[in-house]
Amino acid sequence: SAVISQKPSRDICQRGTSLTIQCQVDSQVTMMFWYRQQPGQSLTLIATANQGSEATYESGFVIDKFPISRPNLTFSTLTVSNMSPEDSSIYLCSVEAGRIYGYTFGSGTRLTVV
Amino acid sequence: TQLLKQSPQFLSIQEGENLTVYCNSSSVFSSLQWYRQEPGEGPVLLVTVVTGGEVKKLKRLTFQFGDARKDSSLHITAAQPGDTGLYLCAGRGDKLIFGTGTRLQVFP
Repeated sequence: SAVISQKPSRDICQRGTSLTIQCQVDSQVTMMFWYRQQPGQSLTLIATANQGSEATYESGFVIDKFPISRPNLTFSTLTVSNMSPEDSSIYLCSVEAGRIYGYTFGSGTRLTVV
Repeated sequence: TQLLKQSPQFLSIQEGENLTVYCNSSSVFSSLQWYRQEPGEGPVLLVTVVTGGEVKKLKRLTFQFGDARKDSSLHITAAQPGDTGLYLCAGRGDKLIFGTGTRLQVFP
């Protein structure tokens, strides 16, 4: 299955600033997924990133707040913009290894906004 | 909005005990997956169930998919401290939707 490198692994940021999270996959994939995991909770899908087109955002998430880039089939970035303490979460990228094999996840970026 | 509710939300047991985690939804899924997540890591796939009524065993873990493909259960026999973690069911429709999660703590 694919191996995903995600960075940074953690960061502490000032409110009002932005943070860009990078996700590198060791093989070419059509879709990459970005999830948010708030403290003590499950995963919520933010958006699906396709190469060569705009990302598809889920209800409650907007491009201005979470711009996504997908310049090629192995790389994607998620930016958390104009951060507030409510954005403190773990952000994870993921790719699908096949309908039976499930999704592979990066180890996540733990973001704390102060 | 598809919603997968897991119960219990938290479970704290002694080593050797048995436990069952439930995953329920009002929606039908083409398949359902179970993941385990440990601190500082992303979720890792345990199993995929596809057919209604399907039962799969993975060592001490038994997974069942409901006949109507709306619910699932995970049963752990003789739990061990290494089973500690966050267990997540995830329903596969046009995207992967995660359940609310069950945090399991197994004490020696």
